[in-house]
Amino acid sequence: QKEVEQDPGPLSVPEGAIVSLNCTYSNSAFQYFMWYRQYSRKGPELLMYTYSSGNKEDGRFTAQVDKSSKYISLFIRDSQPSDSATYLCAVTSGYNKLIFGAGTRLAVHP
Amino acid sequence: EAQVTQNPRYLITVTGKKLTVTCSQNMNHEYMSWYRQDPGLGLRQIYYSMNVEATDKGDVPEGYKVSRKEKRNFPLILESPSPNQTSLYFCASSAGTGSSYEQYFGPGTRLTVT
Repeated sequence: QKEVEQDPGPLSVPEGAIVSLNCTYSNSAFQYFMWYRQYSRKGPELLMYTYSSGNKEDGRFTAQVDKSSKYISLFIRDSQPSDSATYLCAVTSGYNKLIFGAGTRLAVHP
Repeated sequence: EAQVTQNPRYLITVTGKKLTVTCSQNMNHEYMSWYRQDPGLGLRQIYYSMNVEATDKGDVPEGYKVSRKEKRNFPLILESPSPNQTSLYFCASSAGTGSSYEQYFGPGTRLTVT
């Protein structure tokens, strides 16, 4: 069993839709939960991170962590074509080792 | 501009021919790491370095070597590349243990071994 499971998609949505991206993880020791965004032919960049459980909002993006069910989510409101990218969830216990999901490819079409 | 640079960006080579992929960061970061990205497998850590002369294996270290003689540089060495090392490679850096969640990635090196 992988430590982090993520549906690779692809996910195709119309502009303005609400997008939900999800991951599950297996190790309860993880404390930090991240979402990285990767545009085509680019390196990943940190989009948001959450420490422990709860929600975090940044503009159109909301990250949620439910440690009881080991489930992490990213919601994108009013999605735009510029949101088209691969979204990678990642977890860490805080000691430099990040474990990534496989990534979900998202396409937002006008 | 704060950045992580990698060279070369694209490389086609043959089995057994030694190669080095360079990585450099200008943010004075302590922590550096190498990942490979393969379809369906995501990013997997190859090696990491916590500071100069301090390196350790990640999840998939077989067939790779690294060194960290200077804080800014962290080259990845494939002494005898094989076709199963065909992949997209990323170097990353972060400020240190307390900031490990925020890693800055280079643009990637696409390696093909024939």
